[in-house]
Amino acid sequence: DVKVTQSSRYLVKRTGEKVFLECVQDMDHENMFWYRQDPGLGLRLIYFSYDVKMKEKGDIPEGYSVSREKKERFSLILESASTNQTSMYLCASSSLGDRPSYGYTFGSGTRLTVV
Amino acid sequence: GDSVTQMEGPVTLSEEAFLTINCTYTATGYPSLFWYVQYPGEGLQLLLKATKADDKGSNKGFEATYRKETTSFHLEKGSVQVSDSAVYFCALSDPTSGTYKYIFGTGTRLKVLA
Repeated sequence: DVKVTQSSRYLVKRTGEKVFLECVQDMDHENMFWYRQDPGLGLRLIYFSYDVKMKEKGDIPEGYSVSREKKERFSLILESASTNQTSMYLCASSSLGDRPSYGYTFGSGTRLTVV
Repeated sequence: GDSVTQMEGPVTLSEEAFLTINCTYTATGYPSLFWYVQYPGEGLQLLLKATKADDKGSNKGFEATYRKETTSFHLEKGSVQVSDSAVYFCALSDPTSGTYKYIFGTGTRLKVLA
């Protein structure tokens, strides 16, 4: 089975800190995604990547950046954390081609609290 | 643009009750449709999917039928268990959009009482 691993389940950071959220997948998937999940808002796409060193903005990229130096790793960076970035962050991956019908594989999530 | 609308929760049922969670969508192309489940403290897991009109996805006693005429993909289960308590997300992927992004609904929390 595909495994998507997020490095931390819970994080507490201070306002203004630079925060790194790491995601690693082990099935050679081309596509990787970062979502945030908030009550009543569902999942909102922050950034995604189709290939190494490639990134595209999702629906809410402001305040975030990403890095994909290796195919298996996709990092989400909060340049200067703010309290409104307190949320659950979910990483997902999927394969390419006609695989949109296959579905994503999600990590277990990182619950980030900014104080 | 594409969108997914789910019924608001929470939905509270007694064990062995019948479950329906409504999901409707709008899409310009011919999307694939999905239901994901999120158990407490975990990420999302794919529950079932359907890739074309009239397809029925099924898994773990849950079913959903892709209805193009009503643009719906309602989730059903004949007899729920306490272990089904979770948040359920409806989602679509529209390959004609030129991306592999998924559009998610806001989620419906299900609570099953013993």
